[in-house]
Amino acid sequence: SQKIEQNSEALNIQEGKTATLTCNYTNYSPAYLQWYRQDPGRGPVFLLLIRENEKEKRKERLKVTFDTTLKQSLFHITASQPADSATYLCALRGGDTGRRALTFGSGTRLQVQP
Amino acid sequence: ETGVTQSPTHLIKTRGQQVTLRCSSQSGHNTVSWYQQALGQGPQFIFQYYREEENGRGNFPPRFSGLQFPNYSSELNVNALELDDSALYLCASSLAGGGDFYEQYFGPGTRLTVT
Repeated sequence: SQKIEQNSEALNIQEGKTATLTCNYTNYSPAYLQWYRQDPGRGPVFLLLIRENEKEKRKERLKVTFDTTLKQSLFHITASQPADSATYLCALRGGDTGRRALTFGSGTRLQVQP
Repeated sequence: ETGVTQSPTHLIKTRGQQVTLRCSSQSGHNTVSWYQQALGQGPQFIFQYYREEENGRGNFPPRFSGLQFPNYSSELNVNALELDDSALYLCASSLAGGGDFYEQYFGPGTRLTVT
């Protein structure tokens, strides 16, 4: 069956370092992949979208890669700040819920220490 | 902050009761999706409405139903509440053209507790 996996363990890093989060998927052929940020008690906020024919996408301190052969996306935050502390979700369109739905991973919590 | 609003913020209901949650989409958006998010999990797709018609449904029983109104606001109704329905309910609006959509704009959610 289709599955999206994100590291369920929290990632703790020091301010100024680069945070790298991983999203792996199986039994999908997504046209694109999205990353969202979610703060406690709030709805997810869209960050970046990367299409299957794009290898890399950047937005300010954020970088996303998409390897359809490995079925993996990496999400990087460079020069991390305590304000980047949040849960980061990856999402694919389609899957068992149909082409119109987004299917989310369970998220990885990032904690940036000052 | 997105322009998506949800009400109420919090709600406590008893098992077997019915509940209605409301969502007001971002201006200009014609598609609304509802998600259920259990603690420590990612959002799970319930269903989507496009131009007042259900446009896709996840693996949720029929006691989860919805409506979208001409002004693109939306309701999620849950009948015969069960303890496992306790979760954060999120609505997300997007603009679909030609049956496609990209980023979704989420509201702050309604926290439902069933006792």
